[in-house]
Amino acid sequence: DTEVTQTPKHLVMGMTNKKSLKCEQHMGHRAMYWYKQKAKKPPELMFVYSYEKLSINESVPSRFSPECPNSSLLNLHLHALQPEDSALYLCASSQNQMNTEAFFGQGTRLTVV
Amino acid sequence: GIQVEQSPPDLILQEGANSTLRCNFSDSVNNLQWFHQNPWGQLINLFYIPSGTKQNGRLSATTVATERYSLLYISSSQTTDSGVYFCACRSGGSNYKLTFGKGTLLTVNP
Repeated sequence: DTEVTQTPKHLVMGMTNKKSLKCEQHMGHRAMYWYKQKAKKPPELMFVYSYEKLSINESVPSRFSPECPNSSLLNLHLHALQPEDSALYLCASSQNQMNTEAFFGQGTRLTVV
Repeated sequence: GIQVEQSPPDLILQEGANSTLRCNFSDSVNNLQWFHQNPWGQLINLFYIPSGTKQNGRLSATTVATERYSLLYISSSQTTDSGVYFCACRSGGSNYKLTFGKGTLLTVNP
């Protein structure tokens, strides 16, 4: 099983809302990632968790707040987003952060109105 | 950090044709992956290939790590092969971040 599950698949939120994106994997992977992808662009790394600790933050604005409650779950808490934050948010996991194959979820398509 | 360049940016084929997509990278890598992104946004793993050659059906890939490039071959293309193909690399010099190229948009016409 190489499945990474993301919920919800679609999300529309207002600029004053608070929402969360969820990601789950049961492959025993110890590295998990959030990527953001705008239309016609490649995915861009936002955060990396390694062994449930934040390893990389690519200078992401604080209105995006990641959380890794355990080795299988990764959340992305959203607050006071801007319309330009509308994008496809992709979660991924791999056995470790260094050199193993990464698997991606189906993504959450976020629209900020 | 590592630079990943893909070519061509766009490719239009007739069904049944063969194609070669290229990925050049600027640093030694310990991970290289090829993905196909379908119209719904799902990134589908095609190959994990930091070096050597692999084949899976009509697709094959070769990475020449010493010369810092990888090739993805698609034979007898089908309309379902349409979509964006991404190459992504990790290197120690980039803190092992998985960095994507800009992709190749493949359109296969019937």
